[in-house]
Amino acid sequence: GAGVSQSPRYKVAKRGQDVALRCDPISGHVSLFWYQQALGQGPEFLTYFQNEAQLDKSGLPSDRFFAERPEGSVSTLKIQRTQQEDSAVYLCASSLTSPTGTSGYNEQFFGPGTRLTVL
Amino acid sequence: AQSVTQPDIHITVSEGASLELRCNYSYGATPYLFWYVQSPGQGLQLLLKYFSGDTLVQGIKGFEAEFKRSQSSFNLRKPSVHWSDAAEYFCAVLGGEYGNKLVFGAGTILRVKS
Repeated sequence: GAGVSQSPRYKVAKRGQDVALRCDPISGHVSLFWYQQALGQGPEFLTYFQNEAQLDKSGLPSDRFFAERPEGSVSTLKIQRTQQEDSAVYLCASSLTSPTGTSGYNEQFFGPGTRLTVL
Repeated sequence: AQSVTQPDIHITVSEGASLELRCNYSYGATPYLFWYVQSPGQGLQLLLKYFSGDTLVQGIKGFEAEFKRSQSSFNLRKPSVHWSDAAEYFCAVLGGEYGNKLVFGAGTILRVKS
């Protein structure tokens, strides 16, 4: 596609519900990232995939957060038993290859985000 | 630890006036440095980036930024602000021990007075 797309754009969940957020990266992009942006804050790294391999999940805040990219393209971020502190905008980004590859920097292109509100 | 500081939460400038948004980073070596802009409901858009070489870098929409190693700063500037520049601006770093992760500052909200 023309850019990174995310769905849904808005999600309201009751506390305790499970949610799934989808990211469609730019076609052919190898690397995919998830970031969490709380209100009034900058985005914070959650996890990173290269193809289907999850190379870094150090930013996932708890074991309620799980991400997958089974076929190396579309990715899903799942949050189980949502809590109010999970309310945030979840941003997905993709890059052609590793951002700091041997050929230099490869730009991360961001999607519009999914705004999650947990009541 | 690597961190990015944007000391101004909000800045208001008049249309046509000059702009400078501040960014300081804490890092052991020269990182990759970025400025992004985020408009309401929009994703992050890259304005410009610095890796090495000339310390004054030009970006899109008439923005520029200057890397100053001695001050660990990477301030964003624009000579004449337009009303459409009203948005939130984020400074970010990447590389080194943090690998492929972008580490962002808290952002500066720019308001433009007509």
